[in-house]
Amino acid sequence: ETGVTQTPRHLVMGMTNKKSLKCEQHLGHNAMYWYKQSAKKPLELMFVYSLEERVENNSVPSRFSPECPNSSHLFLHLHTLQPEDSALYLCASSQDGLAGEGNEQFFGPGTRLTVL
Amino acid sequence: LAKTTQPISMDSYEGQEVNITCSHNNIATNDYITWYQQFPSQGPRFIIQGYKTKVTNEVASLFIPADRKSSTLSLPRVSLSDTAVYYCLVGDSGGGADGLTFGKGTHLIIQP
Repeated sequence: ETGVTQTPRHLVMGMTNKKSLKCEQHLGHNAMYWYKQSAKKPLELMFVYSLEERVENNSVPSRFSPECPNSSHLFLHLHTLQPEDSALYLCASSQDGLAGEGNEQFFGPGTRLTVL
Repeated sequence: LAKTTQPISMDSYEGQEVNITCSHNNIATNDYITWYQQFPSQGPRFIIQGYKTKVTNEVASLFIPADRKSSTLSLPRVSLSDTAVYYCLVGDSGGGADGLTFGKGTHLIIQP
């Protein structure tokens, strides 16, 4: 256990559905992240939140909408997704919002998303 | 321009020492070097971090030469369970998302 939990672990949705992914960290960290990992591809950074403010958005389509209500919770709202959005979505947290000394990231187990 | 370069894959055998080298020719003065391990369908797990010379913890060692343009992750006496993808990241607190960029990593395969 890394101290970062994600729900659901698996999700199947149609292209017209709306769903949300949830992430919670129990480490007292100030930063949280969403990554996407498609089959046989590197992890892609999607969003970074530091102290509940979005500090990085790597040109992610608007059908992905993040929400960070407090430093312990992070959501990814999904709507009108495409089959190519099927991937493993990983949440992570770290003490602060950027890389540096002692600022390693702790990852959750991920949500395996399939879009039909 | 990629910030780090690693071999795509490596093979070794149980009980051997494995060294994975990462090139980071454009490393900045304030950058730290961090290594992660990832098993299939799981999130990456932090292994070790360093700035210069040598760092050792209970699972690995990290060797960084004086010019810091490369680093080597050393895994002593590997086992089958060390089969995974290993990522090298370089970044600092003021460098934006550079230090959060995972490349393709090195797929290490350990055989009996």
